[in-house]
Parts: sequence; C-alpha cells; structure tokens
Amino acid sequence: NAGVTQTPKFQVLKTGQSMTLQCAQDMNHEYMSWYRQDPGMGLRLIHYSVGAGITDQGEVPNGYNVSRSTTEDFPLRLLSAAPSQTSVYFCASRRGNNYGYTFGSGTRLTVV
Amino acid sequence: AQSVTQPDIHITVSEGASLELRCNYSYGATPYLFWYVQSPGQGLQLLLKYFSGDTLVQGIKGFEAEFKRSQSSFNLRKPSVHWSDAAEYFCAVYGGATNKLIFGTGTLLAVQP
Repeated sequence: NAGVTQTPKFQVLKTGQSMTLQCAQDMNHEYMSWYRQDPGMGLRLIHYSVGAGITDQGEVPNGYNVSRSTTEDFPLRLLSAAPSQTSVYFCASRRGNNYGYTFGSGTRLTVV
Repeated sequence: AQSVTQPDIHITVSEGASLELRCNYSYGATPYLFWYVQSPGQGLQLLLKYFSGDTLVQGIKGFEAEFKRSQSSFNLRKPSVHWSDAAEYFCAVYGGATNKLIFGTGTLLAVQP
C-alpha cells in the first residue's frame, strides 16, 4: 500500500546504545521530516529534507542524525540514546506542490 | 518565527453538541494552515487545509475551519459531534520560506454520551 512506512513500531534501548529508525515512502515525495511527540508538547520537528542529498535541522536536532541518499528513504539515527529521547517518533512526507504531509504510524521508543 | 497556540488542552462535549477548537498562529506572511486528528495509538490524519481563497474550508468527517487574518486564528468546528470524534486534534502552520510544518500542542477531545 502506498504511504509512509516506519519500522520498528516499538523499541526499547539501553542508555548509550545507538539505533536507526527507518522511514520509507513510495509516493515519490521530495519533502520528508522527522517529528517527536511528547505529552503536552505536540509534535516537534527534529530534522527535515527537501530532496535527496539535502537535509536540515528542525527545532530539536541534538542527539539525532539523518541522511537522504534516495528519494524514498529518510532514516533517523540516535547516536547514543538517552532517557530524554523516550518518545513517539513520526516520519512524514509531501510532494513539492502539496503542503499536506502524509504521516507514518509512528515508532514508540523507550530508553531505559 | 512561526508558532501555533492551542489554548485548550482538554475539552469535553456531549454527543450531538457542537464543537469549536481554537487555534492561533504567528507568521509574518500568509500562512498555510492545517488541522490534523490523531486517534489513540495512531498516526496523524489530515482533516483540512487552508492555502488561500475562501476563508471557510471544508474537510473530512464533517469538519470545517475558518481563517480569520485579523485575529490570526484558524478555529475548527463541527455542528454535531459523534462519539467516534474523540481524539487529539492538532493545528499546524507551514512557513514556505522555512520549509517547516510547526504544530500546536494539541487539544484532547472527549465525547460523553
């Protein structure tokens, strides 16, 4: 089915571990973004990309890296997990001339 | 900098009653505005969007929103709420020059029988 696919859906990490959250879309969307959702804080932008090879920081980029080697994929890397990174992470994408983002179903991450 | 304020953290309405969720934005130019809905454990679904033109926009599931530039507001309305509307609702503003979609903190809607 067309859309934004995030894996895994759930993950538990120990403090200091690293991991990559995967995001893939099959709609040929140029723009992709990563958000984290925390209670009472809405969704906050971590990193975004306007096309393959181009990324930029959002509101809360510290502790996260991204790359965009293909149009389809936009992985989010946690370099050294901290309890403060416990959150639900959403990936989203859109076409260049359509500003309504399509969201994935999210990854619930717990860092212990 | 662009920002969105949703003043109501939690709202409870009776089934069949009307609903209005408030959203105020801050953006220097003409904003692109959105309302999303999130059911428990789910991702976000786009309800409606405003880019330009008619200030009253219709969305899915019987929702509508009105853009009022003078009040920097984009309130979401529904004439008669159904129990299935219980969810969290997010207002968002897109600033074209920044390529960023910025969200409010959300309003959690409860529907009582």
